[in-house]
Amino acid sequence: DTGVSQNPRHKITKRGQNVTFRCDPISEHNRLYWYRQTLGQGPEFLTYFQNEAQLEKSRLLSDRFSAERPKGSFSTLEIQRTEQGDSAMYLCASSTGVVSRGNQPQHFGDGTRLSIL
Amino acid sequence: AQSVTQPDIHITVSEGASLELRCNYSYGATPYLFWYVQSPGQGLQLLLKYFSGDTLVQGIKGFEAEFKRSQSSFNLRKPSVHWSDAAEYFCAVGRAGGGNKLTFGTGTQLKVEL
Repeated sequence: DTGVSQNPRHKITKRGQNVTFRCDPISEHNRLYWYRQTLGQGPEFLTYFQNEAQLEKSRLLSDRFSAERPKGSFSTLEIQRTEQGDSAMYLCASSTGVVSRGNQPQHFGDGTRLSIL
Repeated sequence: AQSVTQPDIHITVSEGASLELRCNYSYGATPYLFWYVQSPGQGLQLLLKYFSGDTLVQGIKGFEAEFKRSQSSFNLRKPSVHWSDAAEYFCAVGRAGGGNKLTFGTGTQLKVEL
């Protein structure tokens, strides 16, 4: 179990630029989640994949945000035309989703911290 | 809609003292409940989880939590705190089946005095 890996760990960019983050889940996990965490708050759900299908999106995920998981393995989260309010920690988590095993807990990566200048 | 309340934003305890962090949830069905810990600049580490069965659950690092349906609570406890326990603690609730999206509380920052 190598854990959930996120890259980059830190991203500093100017307002208006596009950024892309990558998440590599634990290899046998078929569910992948993105959360956003701002200072002093708990993580907030953004979106969730089961294999390559994006099954749920939060209202927090504006049309500037897009997430993909093309082969059901790694995922990318892209933010277009970044704004000051996008500054946050973006966390990825993964879990198994085998019905017979019930809901399994989510394992989190160390996150990507985005700073908008 | 599901929600989680952690009433204590900051808690300070002396090393060796007992600890209880409070968590209240709102959920329309049987909740799945979790406690996570986060050190500065890091992701979240799962401490323990409650899905069903015994309402007192044991976790890692000597932590335990008790699910009380009548009080909609899932408080985290530790009999003797270590300096290394200083971190932020998050309670979360998830729904049964489906995607298991988690809703987190705002967290409790624990400081340990030596």
